Amino acid sequence: DIQMTQSPSTLSASVGDRVTITCRASQSIGRWLAWYQQKPGNAPNLLIYMASSLESGVPSRFSGSGSGTVFTLTISGLQPDDFATYFCQHYNDYSKTFGQGTKVEIK
Amino acid sequence: QVQLVQSGAEVKKPGSSVKVSCQASGGSFSSYGIHWVRQAPGQGLEWVGGIIPLFGAPHYAQSFQGRLTITADKVTSTVYMDLNSLTYVDTAVYYCARDGVRGTYSQLDFWGQGTLVTVSS
Repeated sequence: DIQMTQSPSTLSASVGDRVTITCRASQSIGRWLAWYQQKPGNAPNLLIYMASSLESGVPSRFSGSGSGTVFTLTISGLQPDDFATYFCQHYNDYSKTFGQGTKVEIK
Repeated sequence: QVQLVQSGAEVKKPGSSVKVSCQASGGSFSSYGIHWVRQAPGQGLEWVGGIIPLFGAPHYAQSFQGRLTITADKVTSTVYMDLNSLTYVDTAVYYCARDGVRGTYSQLDFWGQGTLVTVSS
């Protein structure tokens, strides 16, 4: 089974900072990767799919990159609304696998 | 606009089973996969399983094989998750979510509100 590992687990940052979260796959997954944001008590919200495609309605300060085994989610200019937990997810024809999550908290 | 509405919270005893429903509206039901994702208290997201109603055959995460059944009712646009032999570790919020691409597993673009399943004696 493919494993997805995110780093860091927790990230402390300030409003306006540029933030980068990394997701590593245990084997090559092409660009079959999505990123989600989740706030307490709510369902996850899709941000990025196919590693770098921005979901409709998601602010352009969010961007994704990578392919193969290493992927990044970047938030350019952190906003108060962005303090949340972020998950990467690999998908293929028969399963989905999530990373363990990265909590972005206020410094 | 696609909406996924889940059934209400459940409290179950260890060893029993639970059936949670997810009714879809606002889109083409049969062509898009519907998946179940769970989240234990304070923990991350775990894919449970999914189904594309048009094809019928579900897929399950390895850790749930043998005690999980996912079915789809195309008449009522509802997907069901039936999990048996419950233990305390099954206590979680269970979300249903829809694939964003027709006919294949992909990113999850619409989510239900979540159903809390509590396993308690």
